[in-house]
Amino acid sequence: DAGVTQSPTHLIKTRGQQVTLRCSPKSGHDTVSWYQQALGQGPQFIFQYYEEEERQRGNFPDRFSGHQFPNYSSELNVNALLLGDSALYLCASSLRVGTMAATEAFFGQGTRLTVV
Amino acid sequence: AQRVTQPEKLLSVFKGAPVELKCNYSYSGSPELFWYVQYSRQRLQLLLRHISRESIKGFTADLNKGETSFHLKKPFAQEEDSAMYYCALGPSYNFNKFYFGSGTKLNVKP
Repeated sequence: DAGVTQSPTHLIKTRGQQVTLRCSPKSGHDTVSWYQQALGQGPQFIFQYYEEEERQRGNFPDRFSGHQFPNYSSELNVNALLLGDSALYLCASSLRVGTMAATEAFFGQGTRLTVV
Repeated sequence: AQRVTQPEKLLSVFKGAPVELKCNYSYSGSPELFWYVQYSRQRLQLLLRHISRESIKGFTADLNKGETSFHLKKPFAQEEDSAMYYCALGPSYNFNKFYFGSGTKLNVKP
């Protein structure tokens, strides 16, 4: 099991562009959360997906959107990129048990996004 | 409002010395508390969580609801403990929605 995999590992984009980041969850996991980690800061929760819908959302603008596919993989899309969007974007997967995201969350290595 | 504070950005100790990484939190409700660790060039991984009340790699953490703290402790630091440590909290029903602190870098010197 490769665990949580994210692609690409690094990305450079220009202000105003759009970007898509991808995440494959750990085998057997059905819930994916995305986090933004700015330099020198802890990860900040963006949103969470399960059953192909956004279920929880942190304090991020609508420029940040996502998608979850039937195989539980997920994408994070950011439109109209700003310099301040430069960060490490982490994906974490877990398994729901009943109504709870109840199991340990496993993190990917992240995608380093640089906006110039 | 939910907030996790780790007051020390860097903590340096000698091998064999006791270690305490501080974490204070504010949360409306009954949170679950976690410590995550990131070793050099590795991904973020769970070290321990309050509900398990277990000791991992010699580390323990006690939840003090009165002081709203969840400090991480180890009686004798090892060089391999050098890493970035993040305190995190989340709702009891969702173990994949975390509020993280800004992290403390632990450096254990030989």
